[in-house]
Amino acid sequence: DSGVTQTPKHLITATGQRVTLRCSPRSGDLSVYWYQQSLDQGLQFLIQYYNGEERAKGNILERFSAQQFPDLHSELNLSSLELGDSALYFCASSVGGQNQETQYFGPGTRLLVL
Amino acid sequence: AQTVTQSQPEMSVQEAETVTLSCTYDTSENNYYLFWYKQPPSRQMILVIRQEAYKQQNATENRFSVNFQKAAKSFSLKISDSQLGDTAMYFCAFTKGGSEKLVFGKGTKLTVNP
Repeated sequence: DSGVTQTPKHLITATGQRVTLRCSPRSGDLSVYWYQQSLDQGLQFLIQYYNGEERAKGNILERFSAQQFPDLHSELNLSSLELGDSALYFCASSVGGQNQETQYFGPGTRLLVL
Repeated sequence: AQTVTQSQPEMSVQEAETVTLSCTYDTSENNYYLFWYKQPPSRQMILVIRQEAYKQQNATENRFSVNFQKAAKSFSLKISDSQLGDTAMYFCAFTKGGSEKLVFGKGTKLTVNP
């Protein structure tokens, strides 16, 4: 158990809908990262938050957004869903800071868009 | 941009034998960090081992060790005394450091046969 929690574990929805994925980082970790794992694109970085502020953006679509709350949990919002958004979405956390700390991953949320 | 290449899509090994997974990367950075993550059928991403580029000594974690060749930009993972539970996808990952995103290779699917 990495200490990172993600809910829900599975999500099935229809095209055009909106969903919210939730992540709670390890105790004491300030940085939260979101990654998407799909069959054709592999593991891709979406976005990073550090202590409530957006720190870096990767290949995140405009239909997707995220935020990190004062209690450091993070939510990833996916809207106007398309079939191609079906993937495994991971949240990872690290202490955050100048030195590289290891990123620990949550169990992921499996999203299926029908 | 940094890239990570895993040239072996699939590998197999007999139980109790040794196997080496290959990874090469491309970067102009001098200081960076490399990781191997394991993804078993449960799809959880589990950290296996980490290597700091400034350290000459190869990292070791129990049956797992790396061969880090900085000049060649090579970072291979050796699994000794392979166990059935080692069956998984293995991802090599790179980060510049300073709490930066991870860049992943496409993975190597390892099967340990009884």
